Amino acid sequence: QQQVKQSPQSLIVQKGGISIINCAYENTAFDYFPWYQQFPGKGPALLIAIRPDVSEKKEGRFTISFNKSAKQFSLHIMDSQPGDSATYFCAARKTSYDKVIFGPGTSLSVIP
Amino acid sequence: DTGVSQDPRHKITKRGQNVTFRCDPISEHNRLYWYRQTLGQGPEFLTYFQNEAQLEKSRLLSDRFSAERPKGSFSTLEIQRTEQGDSAMYLCASSSTMDRDYEQYFGPGTRLTVT
Repeated sequence: QQQVKQSPQSLIVQKGGISIINCAYENTAFDYFPWYQQFPGKGPALLIAIRPDVSEKKEGRFTISFNKSAKQFSLHIMDSQPGDSATYFCAARKTSYDKVIFGPGTSLSVIP
Repeated sequence: DTGVSQDPRHKITKRGQNVTFRCDPISEHNRLYWYRQTLGQGPEFLTYFQNEAQLEKSRLLSDRFSAERPKGSFSTLEIQRTEQGDSAMYLCASSSTMDRDYEQYFGPGTRLTVT
């Protein structure tokens, strides 16, 4: 059973466009929601993270929107660049000490 | 470089052989995690340590897998009698309980191919 669902599986965006990735979770015990970026042959790298008491968090071109009642959250990448082409994982943790539960990933391609 | 390091980066082995991977966490990070990632999937938790104590093991960690962190610094993950289904990327991550968010930082992974 997938604890964190993610869509779309793949995404193609024009340079300068907005990339949007959506995620949903079931377990209300999750209290920390990080997003990771992974390039081929590399480990996941933390991009941005949010806690459920915040509805939105912005860091540069990256914004997380969080809807606690719907148990959904999303990543928006503004002004998408070819260098953003990577696999993005949404994730969740139950507690500050717990393992990270990853979504299945979204492969993003930003074309010039 | 003060990030998480893993060795080797790639390992090709024949079915039935034993393999061992090493992870060196970020200095002073007291928590260390192992994850497994198969092609096209997100990483899945295997086990984690706080200092030298192994605190949790996933049911994915069959009895052919063993992990150690003998002095609370580096960790090793051994797979005995490898099977083709063990082919995956093995990722290590570390975190500190002094960090407000206990953020986990991932290494580059060890790519295992079992032939």
